[in-house]
Amino acid sequence: GDSVTQMEGPVTLSEEAFLTINCTYTATGYPSLFWYVQYPGEGLQLLLKATKADDKGSNKGFEATYRKETTSFHLEKGSVQVSDSAVYFCALGDTTGANSKLTFGKGITLSVRP
Amino acid sequence: GAGVSQSPRYKVAKRGQDVALRCDPISGHVSLFWYQQALGQGPEFLTYFQNEAQLDKSGLPSDRFFAERPEGSVSTLKIQRTQQEDSAVYLCASSLLEYTDTQYFGPGTRLTVL
Repeated sequence: GDSVTQMEGPVTLSEEAFLTINCTYTATGYPSLFWYVQYPGEGLQLLLKATKADDKGSNKGFEATYRKETTSFHLEKGSVQVSDSAVYFCALGDTTGANSKLTFGKGITLSVRP
Repeated sequence: GAGVSQSPRYKVAKRGQDVALRCDPISGHVSLFWYQQALGQGPEFLTYFQNEAQLDKSGLPSDRFFAERPEGSVSTLKIQRTQQEDSAVYLCASSLLEYTDTQYFGPGTRLTVL
């Protein structure tokens, strides 16, 4: 079945550092790929998405490129801020066509210190 | 406008009790999803509704779990004879159309079974 693997956390960075969070996936078809973020005390919210190979999703300075050849969707940001401290989840959309349910990775906690 | 709301936000149950968790999706959203998130894990799909029809319940872990959405808006997830392994955060998400990528998540209900 479909699955998502995220790098182990937590990650602690200083403000303005470069961020990479790795995500790889296994899927039978060609899923849409997502990054969701959960800020402290808030619900999950969509950060960015990509629907086909070589697409780049971007939002709030974050970027991720859908790499079919490496089955990856790594999240990057050039200069993190304290306000980026949150839990980040990589996810893929259903490939069976039955509905648009999501399969999530375990999530990774990012802490950014001033 | 209002987002997805869930109630109660926290629920403590004794083992063997029945619980009911409520989800109010965004008005007009056709699709509604329930996910279960164990501590330190990503959300896992439980069930999917398109309007009032439950089209996919493949993720429900046992027949103690039951979900309904009788009028195509509010949904209730019921767990009968709760067990300790049911302790988790239960997330509800809605999306506008049946195959829309973006799901909007509620804050979740944290269930603790003693």
